[in-house]
Amino acid sequence: DIVMTQSPDSLAVSLGERTTISCKSSHNVLYSPNNKNYIAWYQQKPGQPPRLLIYWASTRESGVPDRFSGSGSGTDFTLTISSLQAEDVAVYYCQQYYRPPLTFGQGTKVEIK
Amino acid sequence: EVLLVESGGGLVQPGGSLRLSCSVSGFSVSNYEMNWVRQAPGKGLEWVSYISGVVGNIYYAESVEGRFTISRDNAKETLYLQMNSLRGDDTAMYYCARGRPGSNTYPNSWFGPWGQGTLVTVSS
Repeated sequence: DIVMTQSPDSLAVSLGERTTISCKSSHNVLYSPNNKNYIAWYQQKPGQPPRLLIYWASTRESGVPDRFSGSGSGTDFTLTISSLQAEDVAVYYCQQYYRPPLTFGQGTKVEIK
Repeated sequence: EVLLVESGGGLVQPGGSLRLSCSVSGFSVSNYEMNWVRQAPGKGLEWVSYISGVVGNIYYAESVEGRFTISRDNAKETLYLQMNSLRGDDTAMYYCARGRPGSNTYPNSWFGPWGQGTLVTVSS
């Protein structure tokens, strides 16, 4: 199985500050024939289902604010929130969809400092 | 508007069975990949099962293989998860989640949108 490891497990950030979450996969998830990284990012607020933010490692889902961005390739990926807003308090998960079983990182909890 | 609504969860004894349903609107289950993903209380996300759009290829996580069965009723626009031989570690919120459209037959997609989930509790 491809293991996804996020860091940190939690962080507290001041409003308006930049937030970065790291996600490392145990296997290269870049598929050379189409040059795409099979990584998605999700946001889960308390009591709600996850919400898709990013797919193909860097493509923003429709309706997602542009303060959210994804980057990286191969085995190392990052989710960046350029200016943290109060409504961004949530747990964030990365996911690989390179091959089954489809696996998630353990989650990173983002709070306001 | 795309909607996914799960139902069928509840309290069941170890060894028992439940059938979860996911009724969708705004799209056709036969045209999209569909998945079940679960989340144990206070824990992370675990993919459970996948059914492809057109062909209906099926995949399972190892933890549920042989005990769970995914299926769909295209006429009712509903996805199902039949869960047998339930164990305590199956206790979780179960979400249905849409994958990609088209004729893909292999689970290599993101999940979105998601339903609100249905809670399954396995306990005596």
